[in-house]
Amino acid sequence: EAGVVQSPRYKIIEKKQPVAFWCNPISGHNTLYWYLQNLGQGPELLIRYENEEAVDDSQLPKDRFSAERLKGVDSTLKIQPAELGDSAVYLCASSFSRGYNEQFFGPGTRLTVL
Amino acid sequence: SQKIEQNSEALNIQEGKTATLTCNYTNYSPAYLQWYRQDPGRGPVFLLLIRENEKEKRKERLKVTFDTTLKQSLFHITASQPADSATYLCALDSSASKIIFGSGTRLSIRP
Repeated sequence: EAGVVQSPRYKIIEKKQPVAFWCNPISGHNTLYWYLQNLGQGPELLIRYENEEAVDDSQLPKDRFSAERLKGVDSTLKIQPAELGDSAVYLCASSFSRGYNEQFFGPGTRLTVL
Repeated sequence: SQKIEQNSEALNIQEGKTATLTCNYTNYSPAYLQWYRQDPGRGPVFLLLIRENEKEKRKERLKVTFDTTLKQSLFHITASQPADSATYLCALDSSASKIIFGSGTRLSIRP
């Protein structure tokens, strides 16, 4: 069974440019998470979806970040415009449901903003 | 504010010994706690989950304890091997609060 797929794996852009990350969760997983991870830190939750509904987006900087999960399957996270401080690894994870379930993480997208 | 603290320094253990990692939390009432392993350039991988009403959980050479009075979880790797070298993350979750990860502890097992 395929794991969580993310693309691209690496992205280098100049500040003020837009960027988008794509995630395909494990089949059958209703809950999808987007995290940001800075070097030497743990993942920080940006947004959580239950099917197609964003149920926890309090940590998402909504002035520049947006996300969608059409049809409750794959998801896209966008940053527009990117700032230098957005350089980080963006992780996508999925789980069968919220609650006592392990999260399966993708390999992440390493974003560098110049 | 809600806070999780893991061993701030990297842990360097001799092969064969038991490695013990600590996860302390404040201002949080987790329903359960998870431990993950993360290797460089990869996403975290789930290891163990322990619920608030469980004191201890084991899986092969791994053992997790959860003390809600002390607000602490301990993660043990017995008979440690160089292949156990990685960063270990604890994560807290509750039905009312968001999921929070600790910053991780980097573990090195020397031969």
